[in-house]
Amino acid sequence: KNEVEQSPQNLTAQEGEFITINCSYSVGISALHWLQQHPGGGIVSLFMLSSGKKKHGRLIATINIQEKHSSLHITASHPRDSAVYICAVRSETSGSRLTFGEGTQLTVNP
Amino acid sequence: DAGVTQSPTHLIKTRGQQVTLRCSPKSGHDTVSWYQQALGQGPQFIFQYYEEEERQRGNFPDRFSGHQFPNYSSELNVNALLLGDSALYLCASSFWGSGTEAFFGQGTRLTVV
Repeated sequence: KNEVEQSPQNLTAQEGEFITINCSYSVGISALHWLQQHPGGGIVSLFMLSSGKKKHGRLIATINIQEKHSSLHITASHPRDSAVYICAVRSETSGSRLTFGEGTQLTVNP
Repeated sequence: DAGVTQSPTHLIKTRGQQVTLRCSPKSGHDTVSWYQQALGQGPQFIFQYYEEEERQRGNFPDRFSGHQFPNYSSELNVNALLLGDSALYLCASSFWGSGTEAFFGQGTRLTVV
């Protein structure tokens, strides 16, 4: 079993829909990252969380440390949100090393 | 302020050859981590450099080696290339320590034929 599990693996939505991507992890963490990867490879950091909730524009990330679970929400989705969204954790014992989930491929249709 | 830059962006090598990938960290960052991302999978940690020393290493064979220079830039070397080494190689930079955000480069796409 991977230390970081994401669901769903693939998600197709219509423009305007509310989207949720989930991440569960099995180790104690010092931080959790949500990352976005477009075709071609470059990764952009969206959020770094250690507790609670963060919001940036139409993106919201939440984390429940006790349940070892995080969610990424996208409100009013748009085709330009189409990308792979990746959850990554920094464990309490790993310094700045990240362990990644497999990613969620999101496609938003107009 | 330049972010993390990697070179080259694409590379094609033949099985058995050696390759060197390069990474310049974001200005001010002192720690560089390398990751391998196979198609359709999440990145896997290769190793991390700080103060010109390898500080952590993932489950990769000795064919994978690295170096960090005094200006914090880093190289990833892979010897005796295998077809299975074909992947996107990502460099991430940060400050040393567990509480800082990592910034990623665009990656180097390595194809081994």
